[in-house]
Amino acid sequence: AQTVTQSQPEMSVQEAETVTLSCTYDTSESNYYLFWYKQPPSRQMILVIRQEAYKQQNATENRFSVNFQKAAKSFSLKISDSQLGDTAMYFCAFMIPTNAGKSTFGDGTTLTVKP
Amino acid sequence: EAQVTQNPRYLITVTGKKLTVTCSQNMNHEYMSWYRQDPGLGLRQIYYSMNVEVTDKGDVPEGYKVSRKEKRNFPLILESPSPNQTSLYFCASSPTYRENTEAFFGQGTRLTVV
Repeated sequence: AQTVTQSQPEMSVQEAETVTLSCTYDTSESNYYLFWYKQPPSRQMILVIRQEAYKQQNATENRFSVNFQKAAKSFSLKISDSQLGDTAMYFCAFMIPTNAGKSTFGDGTTLTVKP
Repeated sequence: EAQVTQNPRYLITVTGKKLTVTCSQNMNHEYMSWYRQDPGLGLRQIYYSMNVEVTDKGDVPEGYKVSRKEKRNFPLILESPSPNQTSLYFCASSPTYRENTEAFFGQGTRLTVV
């Protein structure tokens, strides 16, 4: 069975600083996709960043970047220059295309950015 | 505007009264799915559909039904709701499950069963 573990239920960071959210997963598949989603208080789920397992290069999207360690099955999210609007719950997820796109989500990390 | 629309946004109902939560997407996406979100449990997939008339169970399908008669619509049906189905529900769609494509989520339906 596929599992995703986010070991930090809550985190906080000062505005303009950098924070890293951790995520580990377990799967026997070799081809899969990894995602980080953001859920602000509005409840809307918003894609932050995605990574293909077959790519060694870590994905980046502006202030957001990942540290993907395939052998360790780790997929952490780094947020640089944190902004108040980054306050949200963050979910790590992966999807297996050969398994009808079945997605597995972690329990989430609540991030608070303090002014 | 490309979007996934769920209705209703909020619903309070009584045990046993059949209800349907609608989901519609205007992006011609093949893949649609339903999730429930509960505190401390993240999002769990209820049902998914790879295309019209093709549906399958996710991790927590008990007590739910779905149908996919048209590409754009994927309603979630609770034939006899129970209090343990009180949750926040999300519908999502994506172009395909075969590639690394983003899932677009609806705004959620907060369901309370009393």
